[in-house]
Amino acid sequence: GAVVSQHPSWVICKSGTSVKIECRSLDFQATTMFWYRQFPKQSLMLMATSNEGSKATYEQGVEKDKFLINHASLTLSTLTVTSAHPEDSSFYICSARGIGGSRNEQFFGPGTRLTVL
Amino acid sequence: DQQVKQNSPSLSVQEGRISILNCDYTNSMFDYFLWYKKYPAEGPTFLISISSIKDKNEDGRFTVFLNKSAKHLSLHIVPSQPGDSAVYFCAAHDSGNTPLVFGKGTRLSVIA
Repeated sequence: GAVVSQHPSWVICKSGTSVKIECRSLDFQATTMFWYRQFPKQSLMLMATSNEGSKATYEQGVEKDKFLINHASLTLSTLTVTSAHPEDSSFYICSARGIGGSRNEQFFGPGTRLTVL
Repeated sequence: DQQVKQNSPSLSVQEGRISILNCDYTNSMFDYFLWYKKYPAEGPTFLISISSIKDKNEDGRFTVFLNKSAKHLSLHIVPSQPGDSAVYFCAAHDSGNTPLVFGKGTRLSVIA
């Protein structure tokens, strides 16, 4: 299947700092990228949907000023956790959906473990 | 309201036998269904998918069956291998560019 990468794979930061997570589709163009969060022993929780060149659509309860999403190109989306706090510690996963014939397929990145001290 | 349901939280199968994972959905607008495998602290890995115009899709040891009238799909893994032990998620979306709707997952344990 198609490859989606995330960077960094893990990050530890101090409370109050901002952290940027990159998501890249390596071998296909993704018009739509999704950002998920997973808490221990729970299913994936969709945070937001981003379409290339337009503003992200956030799910209810997700603070758009805290979780800034940029989708500047067909192969790159970024999630910035601003002024991170310990409760933001989680596993963040991005996902990309292709265009054309592959528009129904959706592939996930390996995830980024964020720990806020 | 849960639109995609995986009613079995866990399943144990002996190595070499068939694993059958089930998924039910309520939204008749869904027209594409996907199965993912997930290990802890990793992103889901795409396994196999099926369009609503088909009732079966096969890829190696994995076969997905879709019964639209019953709004039910299943993933068959045969023969099951210990490396198949993971959490399996069923997901669906409609014809628009809408997010996947996931089930809560079924933990499969393949016993050697």
